[in-house]
Amino acid sequence: GQQLNQSPQSMFIQEGEDVSMNCTSSSIFNTWLWYKQDPGEGPVLLIALYKAGELTSNGRLTAQFGITRKDSFLNISASIPSDVGIYFCAIKAAGNKLTFGGGTRVLVKP
Amino acid sequence: KAGVTQTPRYLIKTRGQQVTLSCSPISGHRSVSWYQQTPGQGLQFLFEYFSETQRNKGNFPGRFSGRQFSNSRSEMNVSTLELGDSALYLCASSSMFYRREGRNTQYFGPGTRLTVL
Repeated sequence: GQQLNQSPQSMFIQEGEDVSMNCTSSSIFNTWLWYKQDPGEGPVLLIALYKAGELTSNGRLTAQFGITRKDSFLNISASIPSDVGIYFCAIKAAGNKLTFGGGTRVLVKP
Repeated sequence: KAGVTQTPRYLIKTRGQQVTLSCSPISGHRSVSWYQQTPGQGLQFLFEYFSETQRNKGNFPGRFSGRQFSNSRSEMNVSTLELGDSALYLCASSSMFYRREGRNTQYFGPGTRLTVL
């Protein structure tokens, strides 16, 4: 089945830093989604991308749908403590079936 | 509008038992999907129901089954539990189902944490 490679697996952030994560696939997709999951909660949709090359922002978050339609990246600018959590990329197949990447765990630098 | 609710939130069972989890979608939503989340395998799609019919199925054994009622509420059942079934089971609801991917958003519930001893 489809496999999404998400990197990095984890990262430490310091307040005010910009961070970036990405997802790649060997197949072409028409929809890329980015979700965030906080402890004890289900994933929440952050940004949805529907066109190759599309760049979309949601507050301090910016995501891009790669031109090849095989990748996407998510940037968080000026990170704050509540940005901690697990970020997932996902693609949507037939119906509402989502295939998720392995996740990027964002932690605060001690 | 109330969000997706899942009951129970936590469950402990022993190997060989069976379990039923419940999901109430957002009011007006007719599609319900189920996912399993484990540290090793990540988030994996189980199945999707729309208008009381299973529309999509993931790669899980037949021990995993589900159903949807006329009020769109859904249940999933796991029979003959194995240790590896310990996971967070997430339910997601959406307003519509499209045969090809659509632009409708899915909203996830908080999940049911199942522990199999």
